[in-house]
Amino acid sequence: DGGITQSPKYLFRKEGQNVTLSCEQNLNHDAMYWYRQDPGQGLRLIYYSQIVNDFQKGDIAEGYSVSREKKESFPLTVTSAQKNPTAFYLCASREPGQLNSPLHFGNGTRLTVT
Amino acid sequence: AQSVTQLDSHVSVSEGTPVLLRCNYSSSYSPSLFWYVQHPNKGLQLLLKYTSAATLVKGINGFEAEFKKSETSFHLTKPSAHMSDAAEYFCVVSVTGFQKLVFGTGTRLLVSP
Repeated sequence: DGGITQSPKYLFRKEGQNVTLSCEQNLNHDAMYWYRQDPGQGLRLIYYSQIVNDFQKGDIAEGYSVSREKKESFPLTVTSAQKNPTAFYLCASREPGQLNSPLHFGNGTRLTVT
Repeated sequence: AQSVTQLDSHVSVSEGTPVLLRCNYSSSYSPSLFWYVQHPNKGLQLLLKYTSAATLVKGINGFEAEFKKSETSFHLTKPSAHMSDAAEYFCVVSVTGFQKLVFGTGTRLLVSP
């Protein structure tokens, strides 16, 4: 079955450490996205990529970094510069260039930083 | 600029009664609109989408939504709630000519026996 795999499901880190969240898709989608979800705030866009080797900042990119070396993979690094990194992180993909194409989501990674 | 407002943060219903989750949007162009459902600690699953083909859109699990341009609304309904419908629901608008989607803040649906 095609889909998006995020790993790990739960992640615990000490403050000051960088941490990388994995996102892999086998849907053959060009566009991939990272969202952060906090209670009562819906989803906020961190970074997105429309094609390999290209990505753009979303609304809350500070303290995060990404890479897009392969079509299937879009890892997110949460750096020590992120002031409040504890959150639920969702990766998604989508066929680009089509207004009505929906996002396909992974099952998320819950990051806790203490 | 495009935006989405979900009018209720929480909605409580009894099993077997109708569900209404309200969504208003703002868009300079003809929008595409989506409803997603999220169960605890899971990703979002697409319920239905509006793409201008028909104003009444049927989705999965008995949900449907009606696009009303004059009211700039896209409310989600279901005739009879089931316990398994308890989840968080997000209304989403697609931004014309751009790859960003704008999410509402979500409505938590509580279903009591």
